[in-house]
Amino acid sequence: GENVEQHPSTLSVQEGDSAVIKCTYSDSASNYFPWYKQELGKRPQLIIDIRSNVGEKKDQRIAVTLNKTAKHFSLHITETQPEDSAVYFCAASEGSTLTFGKGTMLLVSP
Amino acid sequence: KAGVTQTPRYLIKTRGQQVTLSCSPISGHRSVSWYQQTPGQGLQFLFEYFSETQRNKGNFPGRFSGRQFSNSRSEMNVSTLELGDSALYLCASSVGQGTGELFFGEGSRLTVL
Repeated sequence: GENVEQHPSTLSVQEGDSAVIKCTYSDSASNYFPWYKQELGKRPQLIIDIRSNVGEKKDQRIAVTLNKTAKHFSLHITETQPEDSAVYFCAASEGSTLTFGKGTMLLVSP
Repeated sequence: KAGVTQTPRYLIKTRGQQVTLSCSPISGHRSVSWYQQTPGQGLQFLFEYFSETQRNKGNFPGRFSGRQFSNSRSEMNVSTLELGDSALYLCASSVGQGTGELFFGEGSRLTVL
């Protein structure tokens, strides 16, 4: 089955800095790569996703890049704000089941 | 449109007991997935149901089971509870056709004493 590795497990940045979270996956058949944000005590929510026919996708301050050859994808957050503090999960899927990474706790200090 | 609803939100059980958790998906969603969330382990896939059929199953022992009803509502059951089963159990629904966004419920937090 699919295996998703996510790094780092914790990331601390100053407000205004950029943050990058990286994930690798094992199943070359995977073709859908979403990112979820989970604030403390809240449910995970989709923030951005990318499909295998696209190398990069951007939505305001967040962007995701995908390298299918190397089987890795990354989340980039620019101009971080305190409200970006949360746990971020990457995931991969080739069908209807998502396999998640273990999460990255992002702490943005004012 | 109402979101995904999970009941109960919190429950405490003792070792050896069994528990049933319920999930009502977003109206029109036919797929329901269950995940176990524990600190440091992220979201581990339990199973997925689509149109009352289990479509996929994760690597959990047979004590974990589930089902889906004709109205897409789903239940999961854990029998012979162990201390390690303490976790947040999240249900997520989706339209169900291929890959797409999962909409999560707030979860059922199970504590096993």
